[in-house]
Amino acid sequence: DQQVKQNSPSLSVQEGRISILNCDYTNSMFDYFLWYKKYPAEGPTFLISISSIKDKNEDGRFTVFLNKSAKHLSLHIVPSQPGDSAVYFCAASAGGNQFYFGTGTSLTVIP
Amino acid sequence: DAGVIQSPRHEVTEMGQEVTLRCKPISGHNSLFWYRQTMMRGLELLIYFNNNVPIDDSGMPEDRFSAKMPNASFSTLKIQPSEPRDSAVYFCASSRQNEKLFFGSGTQLSVL
Repeated sequence: DQQVKQNSPSLSVQEGRISILNCDYTNSMFDYFLWYKKYPAEGPTFLISISSIKDKNEDGRFTVFLNKSAKHLSLHIVPSQPGDSAVYFCAASAGGNQFYFGTGTSLTVIP
Repeated sequence: DAGVIQSPRHEVTEMGQEVTLRCKPISGHNSLFWYRQTMMRGLELLIYFNNNVPIDDSGMPEDRFSAKMPNASFSTLKIQPSEPRDSAVYFCASSRQNEKLFFGSGTQLSVL
């Protein structure tokens, strides 16, 4: 059973606009959340994370929002660039070494 | 610093053959993970080691899968016998305790 869900397999956005990627989780014990970015033929690379004590974390063009009551997090990319085209994975951990990943969302930024 | 190193990058084999995937974690990392990427399940954790000891292998799909970590700098994932449904990309990742994961480039496995 998927504890971390990314319900949108793909997303297309115009260059310069905002990209919003969503992630839902079921385990209320999760307290650490991460986003990874994956280009074809490469391994996933860490993008940004957030602890459950926060509801927002920002790093340049990337912002992650956490809504604990809804068990939902989202990644905002503003402005979107063609180089952001990749698969984005959401991951969660309940304080420990076990990270649960979603199925990924493929983002295409159209020039 | 070298990242996580996996070999081979691509493996094509016939059904029934033994397949061995290899991983060298980042020096100083004490946790190592094997993941499998599929369309249906995304990144699925197969097994992870802490200080070379297997901690959770509940994700290993069947007895045909086995993993070892004989020392802090090397791990293998073996499939014997392999089947077409094992075709996927297999990732190795390492981390320091309770910190974010660093992934290798993966092994693309095709079982014909």
